[in-house]
This record gives sequence, C-alpha cells and structure tokens, in this order.
Amino acid sequence: NAGVTQTPKFQVLKTGQSMTLQCAQDMNHEYMSWYRQDPGMGLRLIHYSVGAGITDQGEVPNGYNVSRSTTEDFPLRLLSAAPSQTSVYFCASKTAGGNEQFFGPGTRLTVL
Amino acid sequence: EDQVTQSPEALRLQEGESSSLNCSYTVSGLRGLFWYRQDPGKGPEFLFTLYSAGEEKEKERLKATLTKKESFLHITAPKPEDSATYLCAVLTTSGTYKYIFGTGTRLKVLA
Repeated sequence: NAGVTQTPKFQVLKTGQSMTLQCAQDMNHEYMSWYRQDPGMGLRLIHYSVGAGITDQGEVPNGYNVSRSTTEDFPLRLLSAAPSQTSVYFCASKTAGGNEQFFGPGTRLTVL
Repeated sequence: EDQVTQSPEALRLQEGESSSLNCSYTVSGLRGLFWYRQDPGKGPEFLFTLYSAGEEKEKERLKATLTKKESFLHITAPKPEDSATYLCAVLTTSGTYKYIFGTGTRLKVLA
C-alpha cells in the first residue's frame, strides 16, 4: 500500500492564480481531510469528507473548495490564491470506525 | 474553549538522557488523545492513541501516559534518530471531526 499520497510536493503561485492540490489514498478509508500547518500553530482543519459525495467545512475553510467523487481521491482547490495561503498542506485519512488519522507527505505552497 | 498545549517548545538531550514531553488539554469531552512524530519535510507519523486516564502505551524507547488533564511522552535513553517534532492531538466529542492539535515539541538528541 502506498498509503496517503500528495502531489505536488512543492508549488509556487502568484496572487490570484488557481490550482488544485491532489490527495489520494489506497487504504479504502471513508474519512479524508485537509489540514494546513503554519509556524507556531497547530495543524488546522480546512475541509473534511466522511465519504464520497459528502464534504464539510473545518476550522479555516475560506478560500478553499473540495469535492469527493471517489473514495480514493480528495482534491483541494484554491480558486484565487492569496499570500495568506502560503503554508504546508497535509491530507489525512482514517476509517469510519477508527480514530487514528494517517497523513500524507505534504505540499509546501508559496503564494507570492 | 477546547485547547491543547505542549511543553516545552524545544528540548535538547544528550544521547541516553531520559526526559518527558508534556501535553495538557482542556476539552469539553475527550474521545481520544494521539501522539505523532513529524520529521522535517514529512507528514506526521502516528505513534499512540490513549483513551482513558491511567492508560499507557509503549513502543521501543517511547511510553505515553494519560491523566484527566494531561499526557506525557516519556523517552527513555534516547538516540539521535529520535530527533523530531512530537505532536499531540485530541479528538473531542464535539462534532464529527473535531481534532485539536498542539504546536509540538522539537526534540534534538545529541550524540
């Protein structure tokens, strides 16, 4: 099993550009989520999904969109990037009945 | 307000010098407490889950314990390869997906 995979590993955007961060998992986990990690702050939840076709907002959802058309994939879209979105983004997944989350390797995003 | 605080922010140990990391929490209801290890440029790696006060979990040189207000990650005779950031998180009973993460403790073990 590859676990949770994320692409790209690094990305530089200009203000106003759009992009999609990809996340996939091969563990058949029902729950998937996106976090951002900033210096001096704990991981903060952006959006999560409890299954295909079902998404919900987390703590810091503004500026981000998600959709979940398959169990395996959970892309995160930035429609108009802002410097405040410069961060490291992690995707995580878990089973519906479990509590332990498993994280991907992260995407480091810089918005100029 | 639900909150997780980790201390110290950073810790330097000599190889073999045992110590403990602290995770204190204030939550309305605890569903579980988690410890993760994070290496630079990598994602958090799951270590332990604790569910109730008095519970303990061990893995190699690491032992995690839980009380009603805090958790400790004890590191016995650490080695340089134990150097990493250790994250604590709690899952609360508020909502479906309410994980609260601490800011972590950066551990450096010197040879």
